[in-house]
Amino acid sequence: GENVEQHPSTLSVQEGDSAVIKCTYSDSASNYFPWYKQELGKRPQLIIDIRSNVGEKKDQRIAVTLNKTAKHFSLHITETQPEDSAVYFCAASTGGTSYGKLTFGQGTILTVHP
Amino acid sequence: KAGVTQTPRYLIKTRGQQVTLSCSPISGHRSVSWYQQTPGQGLQFLFEYFSETQRNKGNFPGRFSGRQFSNSRSEMNVSTLELGDSALYLCASTTGGAGELFFGEGSRLTVL
Repeated sequence: GENVEQHPSTLSVQEGDSAVIKCTYSDSASNYFPWYKQELGKRPQLIIDIRSNVGEKKDQRIAVTLNKTAKHFSLHITETQPEDSAVYFCAASTGGTSYGKLTFGQGTILTVHP
Repeated sequence: KAGVTQTPRYLIKTRGQQVTLSCSPISGHRSVSWYQQTPGQGLQFLFEYFSETQRNKGNFPGRFSGRQFSNSRSEMNVSTLELGDSALYLCASTTGGAGELFFGEGSRLTVL
């Protein structure tokens, strides 16, 4: 089955710096890659996603890149703010009838220091 | 538009007991997925139901089961509880096609 590796497990940055989180996946059939943010004690919420027919997607301070050949995708957060502090999860799905079946990475605890 | 609702939010059980968790998806969503979240294992997929049929299944023992009703509400059941079943159980709904999974707040199960 699919396996998703996520690095780093913890990331500490100063406010205003950039943060990058990287994930690799094993199943070449995966074609949908969402990123979720989970604040302490709250539900995971989608922040951005990318499909395999796109190499990069951007939404304000957040961007995701996908390299299908290398089977890795990354989350980039620019101009970080204290409210970006949370756990970030990458995930992969083969789509089709499996959009509800996500394989998640282990998560990255991001801390943004004021 | 109401979000995904899970009940109960917290519960404590003892080993050997069974538990039933409930999930009401967003109106119009026909797919309901269940995930187990633990500090050690992260978020792991349990199963997905679509139009009352189990469409996908994760690698969990048969003690974990679920079902979906005609109104798309879903329940999951864990029988013969073990200490290792202590976790946050998250339900997520989606339309069933290519789209975002919306998670509920979760049901936190503690097994003593």
